[in-house]
Amino acid sequence: QSVLTQPPSVSGAPGQRVTISCTGSNSNIGADYDVHWYQHPPGTAPKVLVYGNTNRPSGVPDRFSGSKSGTSASLAITGLQAEDESDYYCQSYDSRLRGWVFGGGTKLTVL
Amino acid sequence: EVQLLESGGGLVQPGGSLKLSCAASGFTFSCCAVSWVRQAPGKGLEWVSTINNNGGTTYYTDSVKGRFTISRDNSENTVSLQMNSLRVEDTATYYCAKGAGFRLADWYFDFWGRGTLVTVSS
Repeated sequence: QSVLTQPPSVSGAPGQRVTISCTGSNSNIGADYDVHWYQHPPGTAPKVLVYGNTNRPSGVPDRFSGSKSGTSASLAITGLQAEDESDYYCQSYDSRLRGWVFGGGTKLTVL
Repeated sequence: EVQLLESGGGLVQPGGSLKLSCAASGFTFSCCAVSWVRQAPGKGLEWVSTINNNGGTTYYTDSVKGRFTISRDNSENTVSLQMNSLRVEDTATYYCAKGAGFRLADWYFDFWGRGTLVTVSS
């Protein structure tokens, strides 16, 4: 069981908007630690999409956006494209475990 | 261009040892923490270990404490992970990742390697 909870899968048609939730607790997201999001196509290196809750690295399209509130965070993807089909992970820090933690991952399917 | 290249993976028996290496290029290596993150077959990402920029501080997930040792050589731009007393549940692809961020608790992984596969099996 991951410390951060994500839905196992989400799906959407091309052009649609989807959101991926990441639910934590008062020892991680709720403790005001930043949340970061990664895209991980199978067999390749993971890539950071959002860091520090809402910031996008250069080169990441503005179709990807992050938000955080209380003990939860979300990744929104608008204008879905076939190339967005991938696994997505949230990540934060946990003060009880004294280490960095990932969500269980969400598989995005573009219909 | 930032590059991280892992090596050293392979098949090892339970109780055995293996040493992974990560060769970095394209950035000032001594600036940044470096971590190992693993992914077991069919599972999600799991943080394993982190070493700070000068090698003076190390961090481990509980399941590998006392068995794994992370180290770095800033003159060679390399990070190593010595894995001893390996267990079947250590089977995974191990990724090397460059750390970013200011506050330790807000660190994230801004560049990753493609990973090296470690299989622990008899």
